Amino acid sequence: GDSVTQMEGPVTLSEEAFLTINCTYTATGYPSLFWYVQYPGEGLQLLLKATKADDKGSNKGFEATYRKETTSFHLEKGSVQVSDSAVYFCALLINQFYFGTGTSLTVIP
Amino acid sequence: GAVVSQHPSRVICKSGTSVKIECRSLDFQATTMFWYRQFPKKSLMLMATSNEGSKATYEQGVEKDKFLINHASLTLSTLTVTSAHPEDSSFYICSADMRGGSGELFFGEGSRLTVL
Repeated sequence: GDSVTQMEGPVTLSEEAFLTINCTYTATGYPSLFWYVQYPGEGLQLLLKATKADDKGSNKGFEATYRKETTSFHLEKGSVQVSDSAVYFCALLINQFYFGTGTSLTVIP
Repeated sequence: GAVVSQHPSRVICKSGTSVKIECRSLDFQATTMFWYRQFPKKSLMLMATSNEGSKATYEQGVEKDKFLINHASLTLSTLTVTSAHPEDSSFYICSADMRGGSGELFFGEGSRLTVL
């Protein structure tokens, strides 16, 4: 069936470090792929998305490329900030949304 | 951006009582609202999909008589957990699909239910 697998956390990084959160998917068709972010005490917010293979989504310094050959949509940021501390969810949309388990990121000064 | 508000954010109730959680789209009309349940260290699990004025569609394994969903208007959906038991304790999240939008989901802040 359709599903998303993302890297387990928690992840702790120092400010300005490089971030990668892995996400792979299984889908029977051609899904759209998303990263959502949940800041403490808030609802999930769309961070970025890609709707077809080789598309790159980007926002707030985060990037993810839709790789059909590896069925992946890894989230990256070159230099994280304390304000990036949150839980990140990878998701795919094909008829309905399927979410990963979430990866908690803590950035320390 | 579009805002979805859930209320209450936290609720504690006694076993056997019923609890209602509201989900409102504050500045847009929602074609469809979705209710998710989030277990610790697990992904969000879709419980049901509701469209304004029609019966909700429940996912397999979700008891419709226990989790009553009412979508009374284009801006309000409610989830009522009836005869709650401790195993119903969880984090419930609603989301809404904007009418005429791109398919992006807008999420509420979530409601933490604890059943004693």
